[in-house]
Amino acid sequence: AQSVTQLDSQVPVFEEAPVELRCNYSSSVSVYLFWYVQYPNQGLQLLLKYLSGSTLVESINGFEAEFNKSQTSFHLRKPSVHISDTAEYFCAVSVPRGGADGLTFGKGTHLIIQP
Amino acid sequence: DGGITQSPKYLFRKEGQNVTLSCEQNLNHDAMYWYRQDPGQGLRLIYYSQIVNDFQKGDIAEGYSVSREKKESFPLTVTSAQKNPTAFYLCASSIGTGLEAFFGQGTRLTVV
Repeated sequence: AQSVTQLDSQVPVFEEAPVELRCNYSSSVSVYLFWYVQYPNQGLQLLLKYLSGSTLVESINGFEAEFNKSQTSFHLRKPSVHISDTAEYFCAVSVPRGGADGLTFGKGTHLIIQP
Repeated sequence: DGGITQSPKYLFRKEGQNVTLSCEQNLNHDAMYWYRQDPGQGLRLIYYSQIVNDFQKGDIAEGYSVSREKKESFPLTVTSAQKNPTAFYLCASSIGTGLEAFFGQGTRLTVV
């Protein structure tokens, strides 16, 4: 079985500062990795995903994440945050062509942007 | 537009009553899922279905039931056996095993 650990439940950061949200996973097989964002009282939206190929993946709104197999990590970064980035961020893992029960999620990190 | 529709967005029920949450998708996805979200707990899987007329229990299925009579629909019933039903419920679908899930906007259930 797979598991995901998001090391920080809350991350406060000032506007225009850089941020890193940490995600580590555990799996005995190869995995797919995902980051989702959730705004208050809404569903989850896919931010970016790693399936294969380049280990650095980017989203359209300036976030990026790097898959590090040796460290079993998939940390999310943004060089300069905006007040609109305030949200809950979830890291998730799945097994390619397996795991009929879908994605396994971490407990989330609340990103708090301070003006 | 294609997507997943959950209704209602807010639901209030008295303790001891069963309640059914609706989830409809027009993405032509085979797989559908129900999650429960509580503060600080992340998402916990209630039930999932990979194909019509078949579904499996997730990690916290006790007190819940589902049906999958149509590909597009996967309703969740919260029964009176669920000890603590007040939560935010999320429905999702996926085009294939292991691939990304697409989520509805959620239903916030409050039992009084």
